[in-house]
Amino acid sequence: QSVLTQPPSASGTPGQRVTISCSGSTSNIGRNNVYWYQQLPGTAPKLLIYRNNERPSGVPDRFSGSTSGTSASLAISGLRSEDEADYYCAAWDDGLSGRGWVFGGGTKLTVL
Amino acid sequence: QVQLVQSGAEVKRPGASVKVSCKASGYTFSSYFIHWVRQAPGQGLEWMGIINPGGGTTNYAQKLQGRVTMTRDTSTSTVYMELSSLRFEDTAVYYCARPLYGGDNLDLQHWGQGTLVTVSS
Repeated sequence: QSVLTQPPSASGTPGQRVTISCSGSTSNIGRNNVYWYQQLPGTAPKLLIYRNNERPSGVPDRFSGSTSGTSASLAISGLRSEDEADYYCAAWDDGLSGRGWVFGGGTKLTVL
Repeated sequence: QVQLVQSGAEVKRPGASVKVSCKASGYTFSSYFIHWVRQAPGQGLEWMGIINPGGGTTNYAQKLQGRVTMTRDTSTSTVYMELSSLRFEDTAVYYCARPLYGGDNLDLQHWGQGTLVTVSS
């Protein structure tokens, strides 16, 4: 059971816009930055979004992040076949269960 | 360019310990924290802890407190992650990763290739 909750799957057709949600609480997303990672099969995760909505150099602007209260979202516009991957959100958690970085359970994105 | 090169795959018995290395190059070793993240087969990502190579200070995930130890060797720009009292559920790919910027945030831009640790009797 992950501290951050993501839908296990999402899908879309090429060119479409899809969003992936990440639900947390006041001890994590509610007061700390959110990070998003993309992981292709058999490879290390790749940083997509940091500090809620900033993109590292080389990440297309088709990817965007946002937060609202205790939830965060990753939006992918102009969906492409190469976007088919697992996506993870993460945030610092300083709740009663202990301070540390926590990940969502991951969302598998399928491009139909 | 920044590179993190990890040691090879390991097979261990339950109750044993494993030590994974992560050799850094292409940047000033002491200026960037190193995180360790693991991923069990078919499962999600789990943060294990962080080490400041500059001073050697560490912060571990509460779940692993008492079993995990992270150290560094500044002479070889290498960080180590040792996990003791191994259990079957510790079977996973273990990654070291470096943030994009200095600091202890999770903007992990640079990753090692991963080390598969298998716990099997």
